[in-house]
Amino acid sequence: GIQVEQSPPDLILQEGANSTLRCNFSDSVNNLQWFHQNPWGQLINLFYIPSGTKQNGRLSATTVATERYSLLYISSSQTTDSGVYFCAVNTYSNSGYALNFGKGTSLLVTP
Amino acid sequence: SQTIHQWPATLVQPVGSPLSLECTVEGTSNPNLYWYRQAAGRGLQLLFYSVGIGQISSEVPQNLSASRPQDRQFILSSKKLLLSDSGFYLCAWSHAGGSPFFGPGTRLTVL
Repeated sequence: GIQVEQSPPDLILQEGANSTLRCNFSDSVNNLQWFHQNPWGQLINLFYIPSGTKQNGRLSATTVATERYSLLYISSSQTTDSGVYFCAVNTYSNSGYALNFGKGTSLLVTP
Repeated sequence: SQTIHQWPATLVQPVGSPLSLECTVEGTSNPNLYWYRQAAGRGLQLLFYSVGIGQISSEVPQNLSASRPQDRQFILSSKKLLLSDSGFYLCAWSHAGGSPFFGPGTRLTVL
């Protein structure tokens, strides 16, 4: 099956710093998504980004499908950005839509 | 708007006991439904998905099973729990080909 690798696995930032999270995938995908899992376990959709660049406030994402990677940028980080960031790609099974997740980047933003 | 519910929120069960986790979706019809498990260490693993009532696809062989008795109800079951079944179970829904939206999860501890 498709492999999804995220880096770095762990990241500690001081409030106000910027960061870049990377997601590499091993095969062509139909779509790619970024999620944030907060400390209570809730998974929040951040971006649905099969290609190109999108921005939402202090977060932005870029996917270069031809080179099989995606980047998530966090600017002016805040303590509420802490949590785990997942990249997930989808492949179409016989009759469904299945997401393959990376292992995540665990981010801690300190005051 | 659509909402997704899971219960219970937490569960502690002895080894060998049965399991039933429930997920319901409101505000949409004929959704795709998914069960994911997140073991300690972050990665999410797709267990089952369903594109319609009574239609279940299993991604990983295990002692768990899933059922979809109604359009917006998805149930995860086991006849006899193992220690390795401990984890965080997430239900999700999506439109066909669309982004999944995750429920709040059930934290299961098998002792």
